[in-house]
Amino acid sequence: SQKIEQNSEALNIQEGKTATLTCNYTNYSPAYLQWYRQDPGRGPVFLLLIRENEKEKRKERLKVTFDTTLKQSLFHITASQPADSATYLCALRSNFGNEKLTFGTGTRLTIIP
Amino acid sequence: DAGITQSPRHKVTETGTPVTLRCHQTENHRYMYWYRQDPGHGLRLIHYSYGVKDTDKGEVSDGYSVSRSKTEDFLLTLESATSSQTSVYFCAIRGGGAPGEPHPVETQYFGPGTRLLVL
Repeated sequence: SQKIEQNSEALNIQEGKTATLTCNYTNYSPAYLQWYRQDPGRGPVFLLLIRENEKEKRKERLKVTFDTTLKQSLFHITASQPADSATYLCALRSNFGNEKLTFGTGTRLTIIP
Repeated sequence: DAGITQSPRHKVTETGTPVTLRCHQTENHRYMYWYRQDPGHGLRLIHYSYGVKDTDKGEVSDGYSVSRSKTEDFLLTLESATSSQTSVYFCAIRGGGAPGEPHPVETQYFGPGTRLLVL
């Protein structure tokens, strides 16, 4: 069956360090992978999309890698700040259609001052 | 927030009563989605719509129905609410991908959520 795993339910990182979150998947052949941020009591907000033919994508302090051989994406936040504390979700295009996404359960990231 | 609103934002109801949640968008997007979010399960798709009167089931559709009579409104109905339907419900629309839009067409914009408690 299809499965998306975000390896840590919670991750604590010291301010200023790089936070690295992992998303692994099985039984998918995704054309792209997305990362979202969710703050408590709010809906997810899109951050980055990376396509299967892209190895890396950057946006300011964020970097995403996508390894379709390993079936893994890594999400990095460099020079982390307390304001980066949130839950981060990865999402894959469903095998059943381009119009649907399947989400991982998320990693709750806390940046410690 | 891509012009998505949900109503009500909070609701407490009793088992067996019907409940309707409303999602309203001002962006004229074709695709709309209803998800539920529960601890340990993440976001799971209930139903989605790809146009007026065009809907399809998602991963956890049992006990839910939807309707879309206008582009801007997507309704989720729990015909007879059960305690297992206590959850946070999110509506989403699919990114337009039109020139000038900041995000690719494959992305989704989410509403603020509705917290539903079924007693």
